[in-house]
Amino acid sequence: GAGVSQTPSNKVTEKGKYVELRCDPISGHTALYWYRQSLGQGPEFLIYFQGTGAADDSGLPNDRFFAVRPEGSVSTLKIQRTERGDSAVYLCASSLKGASSYGYTFGSGTRLTVV
Amino acid sequence: AQSVTQLGSHVSVSEGALVLLRCNYSSSVPPYLFWYVQYPNQGLQLLLKYTTGATLVKGINGFEAEFKKSETSFHLTKPSAHMSDAAEYFCAVSDRVETSGSRLTFGEGTQLTVNP
Repeated sequence: GAGVSQTPSNKVTEKGKYVELRCDPISGHTALYWYRQSLGQGPEFLIYFQGTGAADDSGLPNDRFFAVRPEGSVSTLKIQRTERGDSAVYLCASSLKGASSYGYTFGSGTRLTVV
Repeated sequence: AQSVTQLGSHVSVSEGALVLLRCNYSSSVPPYLFWYVQYPNQGLQLLLKYTTGATLVKGINGFEAEFKKSETSFHLTKPSAHMSDAAEYFCAVSDRVETSGSRLTFGEGTQLTVNP
């Protein structure tokens, strides 16, 4: 596609529920990143995929968070047993090769609210 | 570990005035440097980046930034503010890595208000 697409744009869920957030990167971009942006703060790195594999998942806050990219294109961020502290905007970005000198294209994000 | 400090969480200027948004970084080696802009309910848009070469970098919408190694700074400027510049601005750094992915480390952002 022309840009990075994230769905849904907004998600409200109850504490303890499971949620999935989807990211559709730019066609041909092999690198895909997930970031989390809490209110009033800058985005924080969660996980990076190169192709189908998670090359760096050191930013995932705990084992309730998991992400997949089975065919090297669309990625899904999965959050189990959601907590109110998970409320944030989840941003996805893709890059042609992953090298930071290329820069990244960000999606508009999914605003997750846990009530 | 890398870190980014943006001085001033809120900056207010008059339309037509100089815009100066400050960014200092901490890194063991000079990193790649970026400025992103975020409009309400939108994703981050790259304004400009410094990777190598000329230390004065020009970006979109009339913005520019200068990498000063001695000051570990990468301040963003625009000679004349426009109402449409009102947004949140983020400074970010990453490792100088070309062959594998490298995460961005962001500052906390500066909200720019432009007054008529």
